[in-house]
Amino acid sequence: DTGVSQDPRHKITKRGQNVTFRCDPISEHNRLYWYRQTLGQGPEFLTYFQNEAQLEKSRLLSDRFSAERPKGSFSTLEIQRTEQGDSAMYLCASSSRSNYGYTFGSGTRLTVV
Amino acid sequence: GENVEQHPSTLSVQEGDSAVIKCTYSDSASNYFPWYKQELGKRPQLIIDIRSNVGEKKDQRIAVTLNKTAKHFSLHITETQPEDSAVYFCAASNDFGNEKLTFGTGTRLTIIP
Repeated sequence: DTGVSQDPRHKITKRGQNVTFRCDPISEHNRLYWYRQTLGQGPEFLTYFQNEAQLEKSRLLSDRFSAERPKGSFSTLEIQRTEQGDSAMYLCASSSRSNYGYTFGSGTRLTVV
Repeated sequence: GENVEQHPSTLSVQEGDSAVIKCTYSDSASNYFPWYKQELGKRPQLIIDIRSNVGEKKDQRIAVTLNKTAKHFSLHITETQPEDSAVYFCAASNDFGNEKLTFGTGTRLTIIP
């Protein structure tokens, strides 16, 4: 297992378009998290899953954002009708109780033009 | 919810000197406190962490101290080297790290050769 994988690494989209990002966690990890990081700031929590169940969503996650983890393995984060303010690095992480601590993916950098 | 404050926002030290970064947290239920190093354009990398049942932890040149009563924890880097230059984030979590992380705002550390 090579860690947490995110795809794509970079995405440039026009305002108003929809985008979808994918995260493949470490296979033994049952929890998967999405964070957003803007330049000069710490990562901000968006949502997380335990297996396929979405356990918590941040107030930051507007109605335009949706996340899924249908089979408890990989997850997708979709942003509808993108806005310039959505430009950020979207980080995925995974963890498990038996191995506390997170592993972060390399992130998807979204630029909305 | 949890609130994590981090100081200073920037720190410059001479190579070979020590660097100290401090964080405070608000939620007394938090029991896991990791520190991440992030280089430009890269993922956050865990450098050291501490659980609430421990007051201090050391790993070579890096140490973390925790004061549960005062709700603050600190990162200490000794014998700094140019490769220590990066942005450092503290974070806090419940459930010993198998939960969402709340990050501080980051400290940009510059090591002056």
